[in-house]
Amino acid sequence: GNSVTQMEGPVTLSEEAFLTINCTYTATGYPSLFWYVQYPGEGLQLLLKATKADDKGSNKGFEATYRKETTSFHLEKGSVQVSDSAVYFCALPTSGTYKYIFGTGTRLKVLA
Amino acid sequence: GAGVSQSPSNKVTEKGKDVELRCDPISGHTALYWYRQRLGQGLEFLIYFQGNSAPDKSGLPSDRFSAERTGESVSTLTIQRTQQEDSAVYLCASSFIIGNSYEQYFGPGTRLTVT
Repeated sequence: GNSVTQMEGPVTLSEEAFLTINCTYTATGYPSLFWYVQYPGEGLQLLLKATKADDKGSNKGFEATYRKETTSFHLEKGSVQVSDSAVYFCALPTSGTYKYIFGTGTRLKVLA
Repeated sequence: GAGVSQSPSNKVTEKGKDVELRCDPISGHTALYWYRQRLGQGLEFLIYFQGNSAPDKSGLPSDRFSAERTGESVSTLTIQRTQQEDSAVYLCASSFIIGNSYEQYFGPGTRLTVT
């Protein structure tokens, strides 16, 4: 079945540093891929998505490209801000159902 | 429009008591999901509904946990005889199934503390 492996955290960066959070997947077919973000004390919210191979999702300066060859969907941002401090989850649907599989989450802390 | 709402936002209960957690999904969303998130942990899938039926309830931890959905709308998660290990944030999400891009919209969660 489908699965997702996410980079372990926590990740601590200085403001304006470059961010990469790795996510790799195994899947039957080509499901949509998602990144969700959870700010402190809140529920999850969709950050970006890609629906097919080579698609690039982007939002709030974050980007992720659906790479079929490497089965990856790494999250990147060129210059992080303190306000980006949150937990980031990679996710994809399970094969044949509408249930999601979420990665374990990567906590990002950005220092001023 | 309105997002997913959950009530109560916080619930403190004594061990052994029953609790009910409510989720109001976005209107028209056919799928509804419940997750549990322990402090500092990832999401633990509990159950999901398609309409009013639950094709997958494999994540319910024990028979003390049950959930129902009515009118393809509101859902209630019930925990009977609560235990301290039930303390967590319970998150609800809903989605509108179309094609293969059915992102989930999450509510703010209910923080349950069992004393």
